[in-house]
Amino acid sequence: DTAVSQTPKYLVTQMGNDKSIKCEQNLGHDTMYWYKQDSKKFLKIMFSYNNKELIINETVPNRFSPKSPDKAHLNLHINSLELGDSAVYFCASSQRRSGILNTGELFFGEGSRLTVL
Amino acid sequence: AQTVTQSQPEMSVQEAETVTLSCTYDTSESNYYLFWYKQPPSRQMILVIRQEAYKQQNATENRFSVNFQKAAKSFSLKISDSQLGDTAMYFCASSLTGGGNKLTFGTGTQLKVEL
Repeated sequence: DTAVSQTPKYLVTQMGNDKSIKCEQNLGHDTMYWYKQDSKKFLKIMFSYNNKELIINETVPNRFSPKSPDKAHLNLHINSLELGDSAVYFCASSQRRSGILNTGELFFGEGSRLTVL
Repeated sequence: AQTVTQSQPEMSVQEAETVTLSCTYDTSESNYYLFWYKQPPSRQMILVIRQEAYKQQNATENRFSVNFQKAAKSFSLKISDSQLGDTAMYFCASSLTGGGNKLTFGTGTQLKVEL
């Protein structure tokens, strides 16, 4: 079983379109994240949810809207796609609640490569 | 705010040799975690090794070990007996303890293991 799974793995679309990426984790973690990896491989956090509550919202255009229906799912919707949105988007999860299960480690999905033409 | 710096964009090593990847970080916190993640061409982010800042002993995982110098804010990764499968981008990262797990990444070091 894949611990953190993202769909789709690849997405090619035209400028101006709206697209979504879905993420699910079966690790029982309480926190999920979206990271963006640009063409130079730099990874930067975008959002984080803890038990469906938004806890991290970095400087991201409001065309990006995350949604967490429950603590095992975190989706990313992008409106009016631009060329600069082309990147690999990684979903990740961790156990944030203090305790022995909180190792600080993030478990990543395989990434979703978005190409905007 | 935390920052992580990797000053070696690319490195290469011969198979079976040892290589050390450098990482420095900056934080005002006293409790934090440090990590090395590996990203092979498959794109998957894989945890290589993890260090808790309050532990003085350097972490080791089989052929991978770290040299953690807290005062110098340095966290280098040593790979012994390099294998072709070690070819990947390696990212150093830090996060705070106390329930917050936001990872701040360095810019990565592309390691190539050659025959």
